[in-house]
Amino acid sequence: GAGVSQSPSNKVTEKGKDVELRCDPISGHTALYWYRQSLGQGLEFLIYFQGNSAPDKSGLPSDRFSAERTGGSVSTLTIQRTQQEDSAVYLCASSFGTSGRGTQYFGPGTRLLVL
Amino acid sequence: KNEVEQSPQNLTAQEGEFITINCSYSVGISALHWLQQHPGGGIVSLFMLSSGKKKHGRLIATINIQEKHSSLHITASHPRDSAVYICAVSENSNYQLIWGAGTKLIIKP
Repeated sequence: GAGVSQSPSNKVTEKGKDVELRCDPISGHTALYWYRQSLGQGLEFLIYFQGNSAPDKSGLPSDRFSAERTGGSVSTLTIQRTQQEDSAVYLCASSFGTSGRGTQYFGPGTRLLVL
Repeated sequence: KNEVEQSPQNLTAQEGEFITINCSYSVGISALHWLQQHPGGGIVSLFMLSSGKKKHGRLIATINIQEKHSSLHITASHPRDSAVYICAVSENSNYQLIWGAGTKLIIKP
């Protein structure tokens, strides 16, 4: 079966514009995560969805960041009024169950460059 | 002090050498993950461990729960093994992963 897919693979935008990043998790995976990896840095947790429960948004760096997951499947991460410091690779992962009980499968990431 | 520490930060070795990357953690965990990230590429989960040892091809991962330590070994290393290897743990009471800083491995032909 298909793995986790993300689109676009690369996105270049101008400062101040809004961007939408998409994640298609593995079918049947109830947990979905968004992470960010800035150049030379480790992975930073952004947001976590588990089934129909309210998402954990504790990792979102500012109110310019939001995410939704429709129908318990596809997720969209939206960054409003992008800033240069938002430039990073945005990674999505999905797993069956919670992270402590299931391997997280990562998508290829979206490389975002804000000029 | 970081809750997950990896060593070494950087490792350069010759093709064929036996490689060991270490991970120590300070919190109670339900699982430990080893992941691989190739330059410019995505992240691939290699192992998820809660006890003992797992083997996949030339990769071996071990964990000692009492000592809060895990090792990732690569036998007969090859240039294509060059990547960043990341250790991450799931805390007992928290689904979020706590990430190590990664070990950058370069295997020279």
